[in-house]
Amino acid sequence: AQSVTQLDSQVPVFEEAPVELRCNYSSSVSVYLFWYVQYPNQGLQLLLKYLSGSTLVKGINGFEAEFNKSQTSFHLRKPSVHISDTAEYFCAVSEKGGSEKLVFGKGTKLTVNP
Amino acid sequence: NAGVTQTPKFQVLKTGQSMTLQCAQDMNHEYMSWYRQDPGMGLRLIHYSVGAGITDQGEVPNGYNVSRSTTEDFPLRLLSAAPSQTSVYFCASRPPRGRGYEQYFGPGTRLTVT
Repeated sequence: AQSVTQLDSQVPVFEEAPVELRCNYSSSVSVYLFWYVQYPNQGLQLLLKYLSGSTLVKGINGFEAEFNKSQTSFHLRKPSVHISDTAEYFCAVSEKGGSEKLVFGKGTKLTVNP
Repeated sequence: NAGVTQTPKFQVLKTGQSMTLQCAQDMNHEYMSWYRQDPGMGLRLIHYSVGAGITDQGEVPNGYNVSRSTTEDFPLRLLSAAPSQTSVYFCASRPPRGRGYEQYFGPGTRLTVT
């Protein structure tokens, strides 16, 4: 069965600084990988996804993530954050050809300070 | 399209009461799922369905029942509510593999059991 570990539960940064949110996964088969964002008191919105092909994936709001198969990682990055990026970010994995379940990490709360 | 809709938005139950959380989607998605979100735990899969008449258990199914009689609806039933079921519940749906890979989430139902 697949699993996801988000290495930081909270990440505080200053506005305009770069940020990296770390995600590692475990699976015995090939996977699809996702990052979702949840703004306060809202539902989840897809930021980006990796299905196949290029390992660098670009998403909405200037975020990107890199799939590293050897490290089983899918870290999320943004070169310069804004106050409006304050939210909780979830990494998720789904096994290719498997049960179709989407398994989430525990989330990373990003706080952008002025 | 309304997307994924959930009712009610908020609910307070007493221990031992039963209720049904409603979820509907108008995108003709075959795959639907229910998650619960608790602080520091991320989203945990309760039950999922790959099509009408087919359901299966997720990570935390105890105390919950589901059925899928139509493609559009996927209700979640709490048989005898317990304080441990206080949580935010999200319903999600996804197209069949090959026509889409990301899940679309509803706005959530915040449930308090006293």
